[in-house]
Order: sequence, then structure tokens, then C-alpha cells
Amino acid sequence: DVQMTQSPSYLAASPGESVSISCKAIKSISNNLAWYQEKPGKANKLLIHSGSTLQSGTPSRFSGSGSGTDFTLTIRSLESEDFAVYYCQQYNEYPLTFGSGTKLEIK
Amino acid sequence: EVQLVESGGGLVQPGRSLKLSCAASGFTFSGFPMAWVRQAPKKGLEWVASISSGGAVTYYPDSVKGRFTISRDNAKNTLYLQMDSLRSEDTASYYCARRQVQLRVFDYWGQGVMVTVSS
Repeated sequence: DVQMTQSPSYLAASPGESVSISCKAIKSISNNLAWYQEKPGKANKLLIHSGSTLQSGTPSRFSGSGSGTDFTLTIRSLESEDFAVYYCQQYNEYPLTFGSGTKLEIK
Repeated sequence: EVQLVESGGGLVQPGRSLKLSCAASGFTFSGFPMAWVRQAPKKGLEWVASISSGGAVTYYPDSVKGRFTISRDNAKNTLYLQMDSLRSEDTASYYCARRQVQLRVFDYWGQGVMVTVSS
């Protein structure tokens, strides 16, 4: 199985700041990586696929980078609605696997 | 508007069975692969099963293979998850998700249904 290591597990930031979340695979997954946002009471939202391609409706302050084993989700100019839990997911091979999540909280 | 509404969750004893349903609307259900993803309390996401648009091809992780069966009824726009030989570690919220046609990513999710396996 392709284990995904996400860090940090917890992140505190203020609105207007920029943050980055890391996701590392134990072996190359090419660019077959997605990022999701989880918020209480709302359905999970696909933000980015193919490592860096924004899903329709994802604000441009979100960006993804990386390929192979190392990936990064960056959120510029944080807005209040961005405080949530973020997960990465590899889809290069079965079983599909997720990172352990990063909780982004307001400082 | 795409909607995925899960049902069928509840409290079940270890070793027993439970069947989840997911009613889909707002898109051509028969045109998309579908999946189930679960989240144990205070834990992360775990992919549980996937099924092709026509229903002929299914995939499972080892943790549920042989115990869980994903199926679909395209005439009823409904996805199912039959869970047999349930264990305490299957306790989780179960989410129905639409998979993109070309990529194995999930572009729409339901709100989830809770399954508790306990005696």
C-alpha cells in the first residue's frame, strides 16, 4: 500500500496569512494526488487533483505543487472559510489511500 | 445540483450484517463510477470500496475484502454497501462519493451515515 504522510497534523494561522501543508508518499505516485477539504456539517470538497489542477469552484488562493513523492498544498491570504481539515489522497494505485489530515485553526 | 444521501446506518452487533444505501440525484448516475469512504471517530479517511459505472468491476482494500460488497442499481440511481461479519473496527461514518470518470478522485460526497458495531 502507498502510505501517505501528511504534516503538520495541526496548524494555527491568522486570516490573511499563508500556510503550506505537506504530503509525502512512500514511493512515487507521479502527479496522482488530490487534496480535499473537510468542514463540520458540510460534504467533503475536492480542491485539487493531478497534484496542481484546481477543481472547478476552488478559489485561486489555493494551489498545489509537487510530483513523485513530495506534494504541497498552499493557501494564500487565508479567509475565515478556509479553517478546516485538509486531506491528501493518492490515486496512482489501489488501494486508494489518504493522508492522516491537517487541522487548520484560527490563531 | 448533485446530491448523495446515505441511509441504513445504525447500531449492530459484532458478526452481524448491515446494508447501506446512497440515493443519487442531480447527475446521470449510470455514467459515473462510485465509491464508499469511511471515517472512524476522531480518525482520518479510509477508502472502502469502488464500483464501475456499469457495476461490473469492483475494488476493495484488504481490510474489508470478502466481508463488504459494493453494488448499484442504475435504474434506481442507488448505490449500496452490504457489510457482513462486522467488527468493532468497522465503526465509522460511511460516505458515498462520486468518482470522476477519468481520475480516481471523489468530486462529490454525501453527508455520511454512522455505523456503530458494538455488543
